[in-house]
Amino acid sequence: GAGVSQSPRYKVAKRGQDVALRCDPISGHVSLFWYQQALGQGPEFLTYFQNEAQLDKSGLPSDRFFAERPEGSVSTLKIQRTQQEDSAVYLCASSLIVGANSEQYFGPGTRLTVT
Amino acid sequence: QKEVEQNSGPLSVPEGAIASLNCTYSDRVSQSFFWYRQYSGKSPELIMSIYSNGDKEDGRFTAQLNKASQYVSLLIRDSQPSDSATYLCAVNIPRGSTLGRLYFGRGTQLTVWP
Repeated sequence: GAGVSQSPRYKVAKRGQDVALRCDPISGHVSLFWYQQALGQGPEFLTYFQNEAQLDKSGLPSDRFFAERPEGSVSTLKIQRTQQEDSAVYLCASSLIVGANSEQYFGPGTRLTVT
Repeated sequence: QKEVEQNSGPLSVPEGAIASLNCTYSDRVSQSFFWYRQYSGKSPELIMSIYSNGDKEDGRFTAQLNKASQYVSLLIRDSQPSDSATYLCAVNIPRGSTLGRLYFGRGTQLTVWP
C-alpha cells in the first residue's frame, strides 16, 4: 500500500521567507510525528499529533514553527521567517496505534535549505 | 548525557561476515526499541523492533535487548554490500502525553566491502 508521502521533496528558501511542508500519512494511522534531522545526526522530535489533536509540541525549536493536522489526516509544518539554522531534513512519520510499542514509518522527507 | 548512544563507527566488515551494532540508553523506563536503516540521502526505514529482553530474529537480522544493562544491539549475519548504510537506534521513552516519541542515536555507518 501507499506509504507516507511528503511534499515538496526539496525546498530552497531565502532567509526570512515562510515555508509550508506537507505530510500525508498512511491511511488510517492515528499518530503523526514530525522530526528534524541535521546532517550526520539522528532525527530529533518536533511535535506529535493524535488524530487532529496536537498533544506535544515540546520539540519545536521556536515560536516560528507551527504545525497543524486539522482533519486528523494530512499535516502541515509551517516555518515563519526562516533562518539558516532551520536548514535540515524534515521527516514525517506515522503509526497505526497510540502507545509506546507503535511502529513509526517515515516519509521521504523534505530537505529545506535556507540561503 | 544523551538518551541514546551508539558506537561512533564507521564500521567496516567484509561480505559474508557478521556486523554487530550497539546502542545504550539512559532511561530505565524505556519500553520499546527500534532499529532503522538509512541509506545516504534517504529517510529511515524500520527494520526491527524489540520490546522484551532476549533475542528477536528476522531473516539475517537479530536484535538483542538487555534491559538490566540498558543495552540493545543489532546483528547482521551474512552481510551484503547492499547492507551498507547508517543504522539508527531509536528508543521510546514514555514522557507526558507522547507515548510514542522516539529518541534516536546519531547512527553507526556500516560499510560492507566485497
